[in-house]
Amino acid sequence: DAGVIQSPRHEVTEMGQEVTLRCKPISGHNSLFWYRQTMMRGLELLIYFNNNVPIDDSGMPEDRFSAKMPNASFSTLKIQPSEPRDSAVYFCASSSLRGGNTEAFFGQGTRLTVV
Amino acid sequence: AQTVTQSQPEMSVQEAETVTLSCTYDTSESDYYLFWYKQPPSRQMILVIRQEAYKQQNATENRFSVNFQKAAKSFSLKISDSQLGDAAMYFCAYRSAVTSYDKVIFGPGTSLSVIP
Repeated sequence: DAGVIQSPRHEVTEMGQEVTLRCKPISGHNSLFWYRQTMMRGLELLIYFNNNVPIDDSGMPEDRFSAKMPNASFSTLKIQPSEPRDSAVYFCASSSLRGGNTEAFFGQGTRLTVV
Repeated sequence: AQTVTQSQPEMSVQEAETVTLSCTYDTSESDYYLFWYKQPPSRQMILVIRQEAYKQQNATENRFSVNFQKAAKSFSLKISDSQLGDAAMYFCAYRSAVTSYDKVIFGPGTSLSVIP
């Protein structure tokens, strides 16, 4: 398996624009996580899906953020409208409690810069 | 709600020496998993070691070992014979073993420097 695949790797956008981050989890994993990493706040869990259903979105900072998982192999995190304070690295991770590997496997992350 | 605390924002160690990174967590659950992740400057998140709460034996992976104290809710990472490549951010993480609510929560991280 190629691992968790995120796109794009880097995104620069202007304030007010819509931004969509994409994630393809590892095949067979039933849990998917979106994290945001900043120097000030560290690694924050934004939202967590289990079997494509959002279980906990309490970490989503504002209504400008939304996430979807239409099927087991694809998820998106959308910011609309974007603001400079949204600049961060966004990670997608997937996992499964089945089998011996219980950790979250991370993608390479998307570095978002909002100017 | 579960929380993970790492009280050492920064640590340093001489090459070839041993260093211990601290982690404490808060939970009311009895079955869970604990992890240490390493994040080098490349920003890739790499699993270093995992511990199942139901196992009393401390996990080891080559130069990396943990001291898991379940009653104290403590989970420290020991790095022996430190190498320059060990320099990175280290995150402690908690995961519930309850299926369907098994989100992974991270601590704030410890930045480890290795001095040649």
